[in-house]
Amino acid sequence: EAQVTQNPRYLITVTGKKLTVTCSQNMNHEYMSWYRQDPGLGLRQIYYSMNVEVTDKGDVPEGYKVSRKEKRNFPLILESPSPNQTSLYFCASSPTRHAEAFFGQGTRLTVV
Amino acid sequence: AQSVTQLDSQVPVFEEAPVELRCNYSSSVSVYLFWYVQYPNQGLQLLLKYLSGSTLVKGINGFEAEFNKSQTSFHLRKPSVHISDTAEYFCAVSDLSNAGNMLTFGGGTRLMVKP
Repeated sequence: EAQVTQNPRYLITVTGKKLTVTCSQNMNHEYMSWYRQDPGLGLRQIYYSMNVEVTDKGDVPEGYKVSRKEKRNFPLILESPSPNQTSLYFCASSPTRHAEAFFGQGTRLTVV
Repeated sequence: AQSVTQLDSQVPVFEEAPVELRCNYSSSVSVYLFWYVQYPNQGLQLLLKYLSGSTLVKGINGFEAEFNKSQTSFHLRKPSVHISDTAEYFCAVSDLSNAGNMLTFGGGTRLMVKP
């Protein structure tokens, strides 16, 4: 089944404790993105990647890192999480630059 | 930069009534337009998309949307809603002049279908 898989689905952590949210897609898509969803703000892009080893900032990159060492994986790293990063995070992939995005199930992160 | 406005944050409607969810985007020469639906505790699922051609686009679950270039709008409609349509709906725009890979989303509209 074609899908984007994120882990974990739910995560509660403390301020400053590094964490990684994994994302994997099995559709051989070139493009992958991370979004955060906050009430009333819709989804805002954090980072995107156009291919292996090629990443770029989206609208809200501060406090986040990404890497794309393999085509299928695109982990999101929070080196020192803060409470304002409490949010619902989605990973997405798409076959071409402006095509529709396929989304993972989301990761609900709470930073206390 | 592209921006997307969904004019209604919540739309309550009775079952079997028609509904329209409004979406406006900032002007651009060329855009692709999308509507996504998010059911509770799930990811986003594509409802329909406009890439080119006919301005009336039909999607899944009986939804359709009309692209209006002069009004920079892409409103979503359904002639008769069901309880199962209760969800959050997001309009999204891909600006073809943007060199990156970026979908710009509206703030979302929560559709609440009442029996």
